[in-house]
Amino acid sequence: EAGVAQSPRYKIIEKRQSVAFWCNPISGHATLYWYQQILGQGPKLLIQFQNNGVVDDSQLPKDRFSAERLKGVDSTLKIQPAKLEDSAVYLCASSSGEYYEQYFGPGTRLTVT
Amino acid sequence: AQSVTQPDIHITVSEGASLELRCNYSYGATPYLFWYVQSPGQGLQLLLKYFSGDTLVQGIKGFEAEFKRSQSSFNLRKPSVHWSDAAEYFCAVGSSNDYKLSFGAGTTVTVRA
Repeated sequence: EAGVAQSPRYKIIEKRQSVAFWCNPISGHATLYWYQQILGQGPKLLIQFQNNGVVDDSQLPKDRFSAERLKGVDSTLKIQPAKLEDSAVYLCASSSGEYYEQYFGPGTRLTVT
Repeated sequence: AQSVTQPDIHITVSEGASLELRCNYSYGATPYLFWYVQSPGQGLQLLLKYFSGDTLVQGIKGFEAEFKRSQSSFNLRKPSVHWSDAAEYFCAVGSSNDYKLSFGAGTTVTVRA
């Protein structure tokens, strides 16, 4: 079974530029999550999708971050414009809902200069 | 709201020695508890989980954890560590009414020869 795929793995941009991350969850997983992991901290949930609907985006900085999940499968997370404090690893996870287990992708490491 | 505290930021252990990582949680109802491991440049991998029943839980890679309700703890243990156990370990708590996880800040484990 293929795991959660993310791309790109690394991205370096200047502040005020825009960036997009892509996630392909495990086949059949209805729930998809985006997390932000700042160096030295645990992952923080940004947004949770159930199929193609948003369940929780209370921690998403909506003035600059946006996310969508088309057709209830792939998802993209966008930052526009980026700030220095957005430097972090962005993790995507998916879940079938069974036993609350979440499966994580390798993450995208974003550096904003 | 649920929260997790991992008191130890960094632990160094000799190869072959035992390892114990501490985790304390705050949650009003019966928690769902998890331990994840993150190797450098990798996503998070689930080591073990507790939902109910036996309070001593066995996981992958020889790890186990014990749920102690009276102490609000879910400590992770391994009797004999291997160099490959060097990684960052995260404790997480999930609520029973949604599928969200709250993570601790993590404990970095260094294994010396």
